This record gives sequence, structure tokens and C-alpha cells, in this order.
Amino acid sequence: SQQGEEDPQALSIQEGENATMNCSYKTSINNLQWYRQNSGRGLVHLILIRSNEREKHSGRLRVTLDTSKKSSSLLITASRAADTASYFCATDAGYLQGGSEKLVFGKGTKLTVNP
Amino acid sequence: DTEVTQTPKHLVMGMTNKKSLKCEQHMGHRAMYWYKQKAKKPPELMFVYSYEKLSINESVPSRFSPECPNSSLLNLHLHALQPEDSALYLCASSQDQGPYNEQFFGPGTRLTVL
Repeated sequence: SQQGEEDPQALSIQEGENATMNCSYKTSINNLQWYRQNSGRGLVHLILIRSNEREKHSGRLRVTLDTSKKSSSLLITASRAADTASYFCATDAGYLQGGSEKLVFGKGTKLTVNP
Repeated sequence: DTEVTQTPKHLVMGMTNKKSLKCEQHMGHRAMYWYKQKAKKPPELMFVYSYEKLSINESVPSRFSPECPNSSLLNLHLHALQPEDSALYLCASSQDQGPYNEQFFGPGTRLTVL
């Protein structure tokens, strides 16, 4: 089952512009993570924001979290062609049989940055 | 070493074959994961080993069998797979298991079942 839903599904911008991606989720969470995936490759962790935090920065990335609206946004400023990738939010969503916590990924936003 | 390695990169197998995927990390992480990712879909968690104790996503069919020989190694044994099992299989690890741990992913094994 999916916890997060990203919006938009696809985004195409020019180099130098800002890109904003949104993630909505259904149940309460302990934290929310954002990952990037270049085409057909492994995922790379970008940033983790805890449920008691409202905003977090890392380089050109800015993440906000609104637990009252059950939503998060990822802003990439001054985008570059190398930022072209799919971006996923991921939240904790219950437990597996055996007791480990389950990380559930949203559907993702495919970002294309045109040079 | 901050890398998770996976072998093979690509695998083509028939429905009657038995094969294994391998994953290795040397970061001292105590949690390791298998994910399945179909094209244009998000990764779906299949199995977790935390301190070599297994947790299972109950929706995963028994033709997938994980094994954790030690804290650095993770295998996924495949037997009697179906064409719909064709996907990218991703291994990941984290320092510990739990919601505050970032996961480090390997590049994946692209599996095709004929």
C-alpha cells in the first residue's frame, strides 16, 4: 500500500529555474524522507525531516512539512541538468511481520531539467 | 566504504531456474533490505533483516527466499519465478532499523523472467 502521493507526476523546467514537488500522506508519521533516483539506478537519500520539524535545508534543497495537512514539499533551487531524476517521498507506515518498521515510498515525481 | 554492491547487474532466467541475487555492504550497518521496483513505480519493500532477524512483507510470494549469512551479506534466492516478477531488485542498508535511519541503496539487479 502507498502512503505518499507525489504531485506533480512529471515536471519539466529550464536550467536555473526552481522545482517544487509535493507529497501528501494518509496516516500520522514519525518522519518523512526524500530520495532521488536517476534512471534505472539505485536511490540516493536526500533529506529526512522529523514530524516535529517544519523546515529543513540541505544545500540547494529545502523541505517543508505540514503535519496538520499531512503534506511535505521539496524545493530544488537553481536547478541543473544533473538534477534530472525521479524524486520520491517515503514515510514510515506500520510494521512488517517480524517487527521491523515499513518504509513506504510515494509514486514519485519525474523531474526533467532542460539545459 | 559507503557503498552497497549488488551482483549480478542483469539476470535473465527461465521460470524453472533457480538463481540468487547478492548484496554486500561494509559500512557496519545492522539493517539490510530487499525492494522490488517495477517500471515507473516506486520501490516496494519485500524483506528486512535487522541484526540478522528477518521481517517479511506478507504480500511477497514464497518463490522469493531471503538469506542473511552475516551482517554484511544479503542474498535473495529465486525459484520458479513468473514473468510478472521481472523488475529491478534493489538492496539497501541502514545503520539501524527504524524510521530515523537513512537507507543506502545499491544500483540494483535488473531481472527478466522468460
